Amino acid sequence: AQTVTQSQPEMSVQEAETVTLSCTYDTSESDYYLFWYKQPPSRQMILVIRQEAYKQQNATENRFSVNFQKAAKSFSLKISDSQLGDAAMYFCAYRSGVQETSGSRLTFGEGTQLTVNP
Amino acid sequence: ETGVTQTPRHLVMGMTNKKSLKCEQHLGHNAMYWYKQSAKKPLELMFVYNFKEQTENNSVPSRFSPECPNSSHLFLHLHTLQPEDSALYLCASSQFVSGGQREQYFGPGTRLTVT
Repeated sequence: AQTVTQSQPEMSVQEAETVTLSCTYDTSESDYYLFWYKQPPSRQMILVIRQEAYKQQNATENRFSVNFQKAAKSFSLKISDSQLGDAAMYFCAYRSGVQETSGSRLTFGEGTQLTVNP
Repeated sequence: ETGVTQTPRHLVMGMTNKKSLKCEQHLGHNAMYWYKQSAKKPLELMFVYNFKEQTENNSVPSRFSPECPNSSHLFLHLHTLQPEDSALYLCASSQFVSGGQREQYFGPGTRLTVT
């Protein structure tokens, strides 16, 4: 079974600075997807960024980028130029790439609470 | 604006009550999910429905009963719950395309308190 570990329960960053959230995972599969989701106080889980394991290039979405190290099974999220609206719980998630018709099981980490200080 | 809505947003119920949570997706997806989010724990997948058929039940107690009348609606019927069932219940949907499922989109959740 796959597992996802986020070792930082809480992180804080000054506004406009850069912060990196850590995520490691364990799997025996070679084809999979990794995600970062953001859950602000409104509780709406929002997809931040997605990475396909077969792609060597790290995904980027505006101020958000990942450092995907497949051999090390590491998938960290870097937030540049942090804004107050970035304050939220961030979840790392894993999904198998094995084609299936029954749905799409996501395995989540425990989450990292990010505080952005003005 | 979210493509997945959930009602109610908050629910307080006694252990002998029967209530239902509702989820509706406006994205044209064909798969829907129920998750439980408890404090200090990762999200737990409860049920998966694909094309209205239940394809996964993650060892969920029978006091939780899902219903999926069509691809746009998903219900979670609750009866004789326990205080430890208090949690945030999240609904999600996704679209199956050739090659697998696309990303899951989540609703805002129902905060359930069992007294």
